[in-house]
Amino acid sequence: KQEVTQIPAALSVPEGENLVLNCSFTDSAIYNLQWFRQDPGKGLTSLLLIQSSQREQTSGRLNASLDKSSGRSTLYIAASQPGDSATYLCAVNVGNQFYFGTGTSLTVIP
Amino acid sequence: GAGVSQSPRYKVAKRGQDVALRCDPISGHVSLFWYQQALGQGPEFLTYFQNEAQLDKSGLPSDRFFAERPEGSVSTLKIQRTQQEDSAVYLCASSLELSGAVGYTFGSGTRLTVV
Repeated sequence: KQEVTQIPAALSVPEGENLVLNCSFTDSAIYNLQWFRQDPGKGLTSLLLIQSSQREQTSGRLNASLDKSSGRSTLYIAASQPGDSATYLCAVNVGNQFYFGTGTSLTVIP
Repeated sequence: GAGVSQSPRYKVAKRGQDVALRCDPISGHVSLFWYQQALGQGPEFLTYFQNEAQLDKSGLPSDRFFAERPEGSVSTLKIQRTQQEDSAVYLCASSLELSGAVGYTFGSGTRLTVV
């Protein structure tokens, strides 16, 4: 069974800092990897989707990379803002389902 | 609709009561998925539909859980004789492609509390 691990579990940074969230998975046979954001009491908002053939995807201040052979992905957030405070989840697609990590809880301090 | 809609948003059930959770996927989305998210955990797969066919129900935790999508659009997740361990957020997601290759769109979830 695919195991997805996210480090750190929680992160607190001052506003304006750049930061990196890490995701690792045990089985490199994936279709794609998706990063989500979850606000308290809310559903999941898709941030970036990286296909297995791609190395990275960018959207605004967000950049996600994928190294399938080593089973790793990173989410880079530039110039963090208080509105970025949320839980960030990565999920790997192995066919007809995603396996999720337990998330990184991010707090950006004004 | 523009997004995946789930109802109710919150449900409190007495232990032993039956509940039904509804998911309206994005129009035209072929694939529909149900996930269960316990407090402080990532979502875990429950079941998957392709149109009206339930192709994978390996994640359903017990035979008290039942899901259907009779016309290939709206789906209902039913939990019979609810137990306290069923308390969680139930998330529905849909995807345009059969394998989810273009990613999933999630609803806001139904928070079920069994008392």
